[in-house]
This record gives sequence, C-alpha cells and structure tokens, in this order.
Amino acid sequence: GENVEQHPSTLSVQEGDSAVIKCTYSDSASNYFPWYKQELGKRPQLIIDIRSNVGEKKDQRIAVTLNKTAKHFSLHITETQPEDSAVYFCAALNEKLTFGTGTRLTIIP
Amino acid sequence: DAGITQSPRHKVTETGTPVTLRCHQTENHRYMYWYRQDPGHGLRLIHYSYGVKDTDKGEVSDGYSVSRSKTEDFLLTLESATSSQTSVYFCAISEGTGLSYNEQFFGPGTRLTVL
Repeated sequence: GENVEQHPSTLSVQEGDSAVIKCTYSDSASNYFPWYKQELGKRPQLIIDIRSNVGEKKDQRIAVTLNKTAKHFSLHITETQPEDSAVYFCAALNEKLTFGTGTRLTIIP
Repeated sequence: DAGITQSPRHKVTETGTPVTLRCHQTENHRYMYWYRQDPGHGLRLIHYSYGVKDTDKGEVSDGYSVSRSKTEDFLLTLESATSSQTSVYFCAISEGTGLSYNEQFFGPGTRLTVL
C-alpha cells in the first residue's frame, strides 16, 4: 500500500517569514495530493490540493508543488501570520487517502 | 462546514464493553469514511463505505466493524473496546473517486476514552 512520509514534525518560524513542509509518497499510481490544516480541537480542513497532471498550484499565500519523478510534494506558506499556527497534514490518493503524520507549525510573533 | 455530524462527541467507557459511534450526513455523498487520529500517527483509515451496504476495510480495521443501511448514516462499532482504541475518531464524506474525486469533508470528531 501507499506510504506517506512528512517532514518536519515541528516547525517554528517568525511571523512574516516563509514555511515549507515536505512529503514523499511511495506509490507512483497516486494521483491526488491534498493538504489539510487542523487547528487545536477542530476537524481537519482542506486548504489546497494538486493533481498529478499539474506541477504547481497557488492560492494567495499558499502554494503546493509536485515532483512526480521524485515522488515529492511540498506546501509553501509565505508571509506567515499567527493564524497559520496549526497542524498540517499531507495526503496521497490511490483509491484511498493515506495521510502523513503531520507537522505542527508555530508562528512566533 | 459540510453537513456532517458525529455522535456522541465524547465518550468514556470500560474495557470489554461494546461502543457504537454514529456519523450522519445531509450532503447525499456516496462515500463515507472512518478514521482514527493518534499522536504521531496522523489520520489512519479504519473502514469506508462506497454505497449503502457496501463497505471495505482500511489500514487499521482489526477490532472494528461498520454498517451503512442508509445513505446518510455510517456506524462504527467496537465490539469489545480495548484501551488501545482510545483515540479521536473522525468521520469523513466525499462525492466520488478517480477522475471525479472530490475533497473529503470531515466531521467534528468523537473523543473516545477506554478505561
């Protein structure tokens, strides 16, 4: 089955700086890669996703890149703000979603 | 938030007792999922359903069973709860898979403690 690895597990950045979270996947048949944000005590919510026929996607301060050859995908958050503090999960889909273990992002004011 | 509710939201039970968690949706989505969330493990799929009475196992299905008798309801049952099943359980729904795949919408979660 699919295996998704996510790094780092914790990340602290100064407000206004950029944050990057990286994931790798094992199954070359995976074709959809969502990123979820989970605030403390809340449900995971989709923030951005990318399909295997696209290399990059942006939505305001958030971007995702995908390298199918290397089986890597990354989340980039620019101009970080305190409300970006949360746990972020990557996932890969091949019939079923397999999640990474999460990154706790802390924005330092 | 998509129309997904879970009940109960919190439950404390004792080892060996049966427990049933309910997920209810008002979106008429075909697919429903049960995940558990534990520190260091992210979200792991327990079981999922691709239609009424159609279910399949996920990554961590041992000790769990599910049923879906109506489109809107997906039940997760722990036949005999163990302490290792203490976790936060999330239900999710989605419209389709493959080329028509849409995002999974998550319910609010159920915190289960097995003493």
